[in-house]
Amino acid sequence: DGGITQSPKYLFRKEGQNVTLSCEQNLNHDAMYWYRQDPGQGLRLIYYSQIVNDFQKGDIAEGYSVSREKKESFPLTVTSAQKNPTAFYLCASSRAGARANYGYTFGSGTRLTVV
Amino acid sequence: GESVGLHLPTLSVQEGDNSIINCAYSNSASDYFIWYKQESGKGPQFIIDIRSNMDKRQGQRVTVLLNKTVKHLSLQIAATQPGDSAVYFCAENGDNDMRFGAGTRLTVKP
Repeated sequence: DGGITQSPKYLFRKEGQNVTLSCEQNLNHDAMYWYRQDPGQGLRLIYYSQIVNDFQKGDIAEGYSVSREKKESFPLTVTSAQKNPTAFYLCASSRAGARANYGYTFGSGTRLTVV
Repeated sequence: GESVGLHLPTLSVQEGDNSIINCAYSNSASDYFIWYKQESGKGPQFIIDIRSNMDKRQGQRVTVLLNKTVKHLSLQIAATQPGDSAVYFCAENGDNDMRFGAGTRLTVKP
């Protein structure tokens, strides 16, 4: 079955540590996205990529980095510069278009906690 | 109703009743809208979508209504079941990504 897989499901980060969240899709989607979700709030866009080897900052990119070396993969690194990283992180993919005219398929999320 | 804010609106309904979840979207240029359902600890799931050339679309037990004049979207769930308990988000399309509201928490009482 086609889908989008995030790992790990739970991740603990120590102060000053970088951690990388994995996102893999086998839907042949060109576009991939990373969102952050805090309790009681909607999804906020961190980074997105419309095509391999290209990505753009979203609304809250500071303290995060991404890469898009393969169509299937869009890993997110939470760096030590991100001062409040505890959140639920969601990866999504979709067909690409001139506007966001296609629905997203979401992964099951990674819950990151600072310890 | 739903809006981008700091608190999560809630709706509590009796099992078997109909539910109506509302959403006010922000951009009059948006022409594609989606409702998602998110259960606790999981990623959002697509429920139903609608494009701006329509004002109503029906799925299985769900109906989405779009009022472009007042930039309002609603999701109606018929004969609400305990499995419908979740947070429901509306999303509108932007130039590069979908924009999500804060969500409404639906609780179904047995």
